[in-house]
Amino acid sequence: AQSVTQPDIHITVSEGASLELRCNYSYGATPYLFWYVQSPGQGLQLLLKYFSGDTLVQGIKGFEAEFKRSQSSFNLRKPSVHWSDAAEYFCAVVYTSGTYKYIFGTGTRLKVLA
Amino acid sequence: DTGVSQNPRHKITKRGQNVTFRCDPISEHNRLYWYRQTLGQGPEFLTYFQNEAQLEKSRLLSDRFSAERPKGSFSTLEIQRTEQGDSAMYLCASSLLSVEAKNIQYFGAGTRLSVL
Repeated sequence: AQSVTQPDIHITVSEGASLELRCNYSYGATPYLFWYVQSPGQGLQLLLKYFSGDTLVQGIKGFEAEFKRSQSSFNLRKPSVHWSDAAEYFCAVVYTSGTYKYIFGTGTRLKVLA
Repeated sequence: DTGVSQNPRHKITKRGQNVTFRCDPISEHNRLYWYRQTLGQGPEFLTYFQNEAQLEKSRLLSDRFSAERPKGSFSTLEIQRTEQGDSAMYLCASSLLSVEAKNIQYFGAGTRLSVL
């Protein structure tokens, strides 16, 4: 079955520290890959996306993600976290046929310590 | 471009009542999706429309749920005889299915439903 795994439910980092959020997916081909961020009570904001080509993609707010086909992973990184980055982060895959519906992971809640 | 708009933002209802949510997509987008998000989970696909045609419904969408998109513009999601298990955030997203746009979905802020 198609699935997305975000193994870390909660992550706490200090402000200014680096961040890596993990995402693994299962699929027989390369899907489209996305990271979204959700602040409390809000909808989802697109951080970055991967379709093809360069496996390191840049997004908004200083985030980047690297697609590794061999590991079926699409991990999100940020070199220096800001207090305003505290939120929930969702990885999503889109299977490029038919519905193009998103399959989301369960999310990682990021807490930033001052 | 005002983004995807959802109304109401919050809805509190008693068990057994009917509720209806509205989603106004980005104007030129031809696809519209509904997702449900429960506490501690990622959003789960419910259904989607291409223009006015409803092309797929998830097994999560029981027969108490119905969605419409008349004229291919706004969409409504109705839940009849609400149950406490229906309490969730209902998210709407719209997209443009094209080679260039690649069907990137843009989400509204959601409607949070609480069934008492």
